[in-house]
Amino acid sequence: AQSVAQPEDQVNVAEGNPLTVKCTYSVSGNPYLFWYVQYPNRGLQFLLKYITGDNLVKGSYGFEAEFNKSQTSFHLKKPSALVSDSALYFCAVRDCEVTGGGNKLTFGTGTQLKVEL
Amino acid sequence: EPEVTQTPSHQVTQMGQEVILRCVPISNHLYFYWYRQILGQKVEFLVSFYNNEISEKSEIFDDQFSVERPDGSNFTLKIRSTKLEDSAMYFCASSEISGRGYEQYFGPGTRLTVT
Repeated sequence: AQSVAQPEDQVNVAEGNPLTVKCTYSVSGNPYLFWYVQYPNRGLQFLLKYITGDNLVKGSYGFEAEFNKSQTSFHLKKPSALVSDSALYFCAVRDCEVTGGGNKLTFGTGTQLKVEL
Repeated sequence: EPEVTQTPSHQVTQMGQEVILRCVPISNHLYFYWYRQILGQKVEFLVSFYNNEISEKSEIFDDQFSVERPDGSNFTLKIRSTKLEDSAMYFCASSEISGRGYEQYFGPGTRLTVT
């Protein structure tokens, strides 16, 4: 079974400071990992993904994430936060070793990011 | 930029009634999905659909749920006899062919309220 944990319900950061939103995962094989953002009354918007290759992946709006296999983590980062980054962030995983399936994503519970002036 | 659309944005129905939630996936995508998010809880997978058949479904997706691709553009989720606990935000998503490593693009959701 695949699972994702986002240990923080909320992260507060001052604008201009770096931000980190944590995510750890569990899969039986190798993971495909994704970050999505949800703004109020909107759907989930894709930010970035890790499939294979470089452990540091870059995505939309200046976000990046680092895949760490030994720690089974995929933390989302941004060097300088903006007030407009305030939203709900979801980490998701897909076990690439599972065959015959339909590409089900398993999501974490979400982390509310609040960036203040 | 192409996007997934869903209608209606909000549906209110009485317990026991049938509802159909509609989605128009991105036009060149071939994998389609439904997820739901009960208020305050995580996003949960319901079903995936490829080549006109269900490719995977969760334990939530019981006999009261069905999906259909009635034409070349729409993808629907039907709940035959709604229950109070079906109240949730339902998200449709789509991805390109060979979807394992491809990101899924989500629609804005339909908020279903069962009274």
